[in-house]
Amino acid sequence: QVQLQESGPGLVKPSETLSLTCTVSGYSISSGYYWGWIRQPPGKGLEWIGSIYHSGSTYYNPSLKSRVTISVDTSKNQFSLKLSSVTAADTAVYYCARGVGATGYYFDYWGQGTLVTVSS
Amino acid sequence: EIVLTQSPATLSLSPGERATLSCRASQSVSSYLAWYQQKPGQAPRLLIYDASNRATGIPARFSGSGSGTDFTLTISSLEPEDFAVYYCQQRSNWPTWTFGQGTKVEIK
Repeated sequence: QVQLQESGPGLVKPSETLSLTCTVSGYSISSGYYWGWIRQPPGKGLEWIGSIYHSGSTYYNPSLKSRVTISVDTSKNQFSLKLSSVTAADTAVYYCARGVGATGYYFDYWGQGTLVTVSS
Repeated sequence: EIVLTQSPATLSLSPGERATLSCRASQSVSSYLAWYQQKPGQAPRLLIYDASNRATGIPARFSGSGSGTDFTLTISSLEPEDFAVYYCQQRSNWPTWTFGQGTKVEIK
């Protein structure tokens, strides 16, 4: 059974960098698929942040591209998200997920999500 | 950017009734559309991919249809556990994937 688990600070100060890691179990990232990050502000809808292919190719939401970096560490079976220059608008539950299908657009396994609050 | 508009925003129904949820795209997304169910405090759950294919383990009462710009998620007979928020998602203008704003199915 594929499982994903997000980890990282729950509180980040404005203008700093948000860093999260997703640890995957039950499947080797290096074997394939896309691996993505999606966020959800409190009480609002879902926003795709970006995805990384198992080979390391990355794809970002154009609205966030200038601030986002996604990387993969196959030796630890993890992938990570960095979002720079955060503001209160970046407060959200952040999910990691496995992307499948054509260019990995739909997500079949999700982490439980982690709330990140941006506040001083 | 392709915008997905879901309607209605809220659907009030009783258990056993049929639910019909709509997702309309601002331009054609071919059949690259997925549906998710989300319950409070939980991650989204994939229901349907490529417009009409049920994901693994999804009950047959869930079905998806449509192509191009108009899509429908149908729940043939609502079970108590089906009351949740439903989102559609597209991938047509790769690599920008967007979600609809959601439809809440609530108990009448």
